[in-house]
Amino acid sequence: AQSVAQPEDQVNVAEGNPLTVKCTYSVSGNPYLFWYVQYPNRGLQFLLKYITGDNLVKGSYGFEAEFNKSQTSFHLKKPSALVSDSALYFCAVREMNNFNKFYFGSGTKLNVKP
Amino acid sequence: IAGITQAPTSQILAAGRRMTLRCTQDMRHNAMYWYRQDLGLGLRLIHYSNTAGTTGKGEVPDGYSVSRANTDDFPLTLASAVPSQTSVYFCASSDSPSSYEQYFGPGTRLTVT
Repeated sequence: AQSVAQPEDQVNVAEGNPLTVKCTYSVSGNPYLFWYVQYPNRGLQFLLKYITGDNLVKGSYGFEAEFNKSQTSFHLKKPSALVSDSALYFCAVREMNNFNKFYFGSGTKLNVKP
Repeated sequence: IAGITQAPTSQILAAGRRMTLRCTQDMRHNAMYWYRQDLGLGLRLIHYSNTAGTTGKGEVPDGYSVSRANTDDFPLTLASAVPSQTSVYFCASSDSPSSYEQYFGPGTRLTVT
């Protein structure tokens, strides 16, 4: 069965420090991996994706994510956090051959403190 | 209109009542989706539509129905609401079923009492 795990409900980081939001996945075959961000009372917004190629993918707002096939992980990172990065972050996976089915993690709340 | 709109923004509904959540997109996207978001569970796919005239079941379809009469609209109907359907509902669309990125509406917060 396909699944995504975000082991941390909440991540706290000081502004200017690097941040990491963790994600591990389980999927048959090659995965398509995504990160979305949700601000309060808003729908999800696409941040970045991994389909194939370089394991380090860059996305919106200075975020990047590293695909690690051996660890089945796709952690979201940013070198220097901003207070405005505070939001709910979702990791998602989609099977290569079943594009209708996106599986989302439970979400990680990122708190960036001044 | 730009993107996806959903109506109503929020609703309190008595159990047993029928309710239709509306979703409209103006991007001429072929594929549309309905998700529910519950605390600690993330988003779960209810139904999807690859193109106008077709629909399919997602992960949690029971108690919900959808239709796709045209490209722009994808209403979600609860025939007889139950308290377990209390949730935030998001409509999303993508250019095609195989597109990598989905665009989300602002959501409808539904409370079934």
